[in-house]
Amino acid sequence: DTEVTQTPKHLVMGMTNKKSLKCEQHMGHRAMYWYKQKAKKPPELMFVYSYEKLSINESVPSRFSPECPNSSLLNLHLHALQPEDSALYLCASSQDTSGYTGELFFGEGSRLTVL
Amino acid sequence: GEDVEQSLFLSVREGDSSVINCTYTDSSSTYLYWYKQEPGAGLQLLTYIFSNMDMKQDQRLTVLLNKKDKHLSLRIADTQTGDSAIYFCAEDPNTGGFKTIFGAGTRLFVKA
Repeated sequence: DTEVTQTPKHLVMGMTNKKSLKCEQHMGHRAMYWYKQKAKKPPELMFVYSYEKLSINESVPSRFSPECPNSSLLNLHLHALQPEDSALYLCASSQDTSGYTGELFFGEGSRLTVL
Repeated sequence: GEDVEQSLFLSVREGDSSVINCTYTDSSSTYLYWYKQEPGAGLQLLTYIFSNMDMKQDQRLTVLLNKKDKHLSLRIADTQTGDSAIYFCAEDPNTGGFKTIFGAGTRLFVKA
């Protein structure tokens, strides 16, 4: 199984809503990532978990709250978002190879629209 | 700082070869990657090259690396309409892991 599964595929939410994006992988990868991708732009790193501990937070606003309940699951909790947060949110995983990231395995993404 | 640059758009006819170019800045990068993103999908690794290699061939794909000029290219032979996608060049800088640097992406359009 070389898949990263993300749910939901599409999400529309108001600025006062609370919602969550979910990501799952069963490749035994110990590093998991959240990226944000705006149209016609490359992915921007948001968070990295390594061995279920938050390793990198790229100065992301607190309205985005990541969670790694176990080695296979990664969540992104969303609260009080702004319209400019509308984007494709990509989850990825990699083997936690010391020093280098190696191949990133991406999910299909969750397309978020904030009204 | 770290930066990866690539041209934004390339249009070719079906059956022709496509060449997508990229320049990077971190000379300590050991791995350089090409990712493909089809519409509405995530990124998928196409191929990668170690920095101690000049060339890597994988079926229709040829990667050339000029380490002196920090230039990377991806050649797709016999380009098909199914190759239409965005191609991201990426480097893995020697910063302790996790921070892959992506270029802006080259949108390849294949005309039938």
